Amino acid sequence: QKEVEQNSGPLSVPEGAIASLNCTYSDRGSQSFFWYRQYSGKSPELIMSIYSNGDKEDGRFTAQLNKASQYVSLLIRDSQPSDSATYLCAVRGGGGNKLTFGTGTQLKVEL
Amino acid sequence: EAQVTQNPRYLITVTGKKLTVTCSQNMNHEYMSWYRQDPGLGLRQIYYSMNVEVTDKGDVPEGYKVSRKEKRNFPLILESPSPNQTSLYFCASSLAAGTGTQYFGPGTRLLVL
Repeated sequence: QKEVEQNSGPLSVPEGAIASLNCTYSDRGSQSFFWYRQYSGKSPELIMSIYSNGDKEDGRFTAQLNKASQYVSLLIRDSQPSDSATYLCAVRGGGGNKLTFGTGTQLKVEL
Repeated sequence: EAQVTQNPRYLITVTGKKLTVTCSQNMNHEYMSWYRQDPGLGLRQIYYSMNVEVTDKGDVPEGYKVSRKEKRNFPLILESPSPNQTSLYFCASSLAAGTGTQYFGPGTRLLVL
């Protein structure tokens, strides 16, 4: 079982719709969870972090964490073509030093 | 401008020829890390450094070396590159190990023939 799992996609949504990206992790001791966005040919950039159960909202982005189910998700409201990218889920384990990334979900927002 | 820089951005080399990829950050960050990114495998950590003179292995350290003699620099050394080290490499830094905001360099695309 991979430590951090994501559906590779592509996930296609129409412009203006809600995109829902999901991630599961195996280390129950994990404390910190992050979503990075990576445009093709570019480096990853952090868009959201979440540390406790529940929802965290930042503009059009909402991160959701459920530690009991070992599940973290990212919702993008009012999706725009500029949101088309690969979204990487990253989890920091209980030891605190290592950040493990999922393989990413490719999102395509269609006009 | 706060940034992480890597050099070179592109490199073609031959098997066995030692090479170094440099990484430098100007944000006074304690924590630095190297990743490689391969299709279908995602980002995998090679080595990380908690602070000067302290480094540790990540998930895929075989065939790589690092050093951290100064806070701002964290070079990645391939003593004897092999074709399976052909990849896209990213250096990243953050204020400390426990903080999640890692700033990534622009990447170095390496081809080993």
